[in-house]
Amino acid sequence: EPEVTQTPSHQVTQMGQEVILRCVPISNHLYFYWYRQILGQKVEFLVSFYNNEISEKSEIFDDQFSVERPDGSNFTLKIRSTKLEDSAMYFCASSEETRPFFGPGTRLTVL
Amino acid sequence: ELKVEQNPLFLSMQEGKNYTIYCNYSTTSDRLYWYRQDPGKSLESLFVLLSNGAVKQEGRLMASLDTKARLSTLHITAAVHDLSATYFCAVDKGKLTFGTGTRLTIIP
Repeated sequence: EPEVTQTPSHQVTQMGQEVILRCVPISNHLYFYWYRQILGQKVEFLVSFYNNEISEKSEIFDDQFSVERPDGSNFTLKIRSTKLEDSAMYFCASSEETRPFFGPGTRLTVL
Repeated sequence: ELKVEQNPLFLSMQEGKNYTIYCNYSTTSDRLYWYRQDPGKSLESLFVLLSNGAVKQEGRLMASLDTKARLSTLHITAAVHDLSATYFCAVDKGKLTFGTGTRLTIIP
């Protein structure tokens, strides 16, 4: 069964460093998303992407964040200068139209 | 702003018992999903509810949607230990707004 994959599974970085989280969505899906979950809390929407552009973004998704689909398969989330409060699990998701399927997540720890 | 509330937040129940988790949301939507999350893991899609009155069942779990009441329920029948997890509802209005989650623990 097709699935969303994410790399790396864990990323530890120093405050102020740039990180890139990578995702490979399910191949026939058209909509792509990033969500995050701070430990023990609910899942929060960051950004949605369709037709090679951002379709919606949350207040969390400020100028430090960017997304890209550099080729036909990858979908990346970049955090330019990480802060301590960026520590969270980041989930990529994709969908045809409804029912997003989630990847396994990248646990980001900012020290 | 859409608000999605679940209750209870924590639920301990004995094996074999029945219980219901409630998901209320504040603005109109006719698309709602239920996900399961095991500790440290991703979100597993359980149910897709796309219209008023939708009812879906899978094993010991049954989900329903009442769009007029802005309420979805997840009913657990004759709980077994394997159902221990955190359950989230999520309302779809182009992006998902998740509920607070219900941490379910089934006690043998």
